[in-house]
Amino acid sequence: AQKITQTQPGMFVQEKEAVTLDCTYDTSDPSYGLFWYKQPSSGEMIFLIYQGSYDQQNATEGRYSLNFQKARKSANLVISASQLGDSAMYFCATRTYGNNRLAFGKGNQVVVIP
Amino acid sequence: EADIYQTPRYLVIGTGKKITLECSQTMGHDKMYWYQQDPGMELHLIHYSYGVNSTEKGDLSSESTVSRIRTEHFPLTLESARPSHTSQYLCASSVQGGEKLFFGSGTQLSVL
Repeated sequence: AQKITQTQPGMFVQEKEAVTLDCTYDTSDPSYGLFWYKQPSSGEMIFLIYQGSYDQQNATEGRYSLNFQKARKSANLVISASQLGDSAMYFCATRTYGNNRLAFGKGNQVVVIP
Repeated sequence: EADIYQTPRYLVIGTGKKITLECSQTMGHDKMYWYQQDPGMELHLIHYSYGVNSTEKGDLSSESTVSRIRTEHFPLTLESARPSHTSQYLCASSVQGGEKLFFGSGTQLSVL
């Protein structure tokens, strides 16, 4: 079974600053994918970024980057130049290629303040 | 952008009623999923489907049932709603072998 841990309390971030959200995972499968999703107060889940376990380089998507440390089983999300619209819950998720299903962490609450 | 739709967006209903939450996608995705999410908590997979006439239970036990008669449609049914069913229900889809799940806007269900 996959276990994803997101333990940071709610975070307040100054606009235009960077923020790092921690995520550790536990899987015995050697092949897996790591995902980050954003959930604003409206409730929908928005895909942000993906990293495959065999990818050599850290994934980047615009202002989002993933700090992937495979040996530590860590996949932290970095949001650069925070904007007010970044205020949301952020969920880390993993998927092993054996079962094709996403397992989610409990999420991190981020509030961007002007 | 994703074309996956859930209706209703909000539903308040009395105990014992039968309800169906609708989910449709126009992307031709083979895989579809239902997740349940309590406020401030993680998502839990309750049902999934890999194609027409294929349905499986997820990681979290649920009293709901699903059907997949058409590729684009994956409704979830509760035969007799109870207050313990109060939650947000999120539908998602993905292509076969694809990495990314596309989510609908969710249905917030309140059972009184």
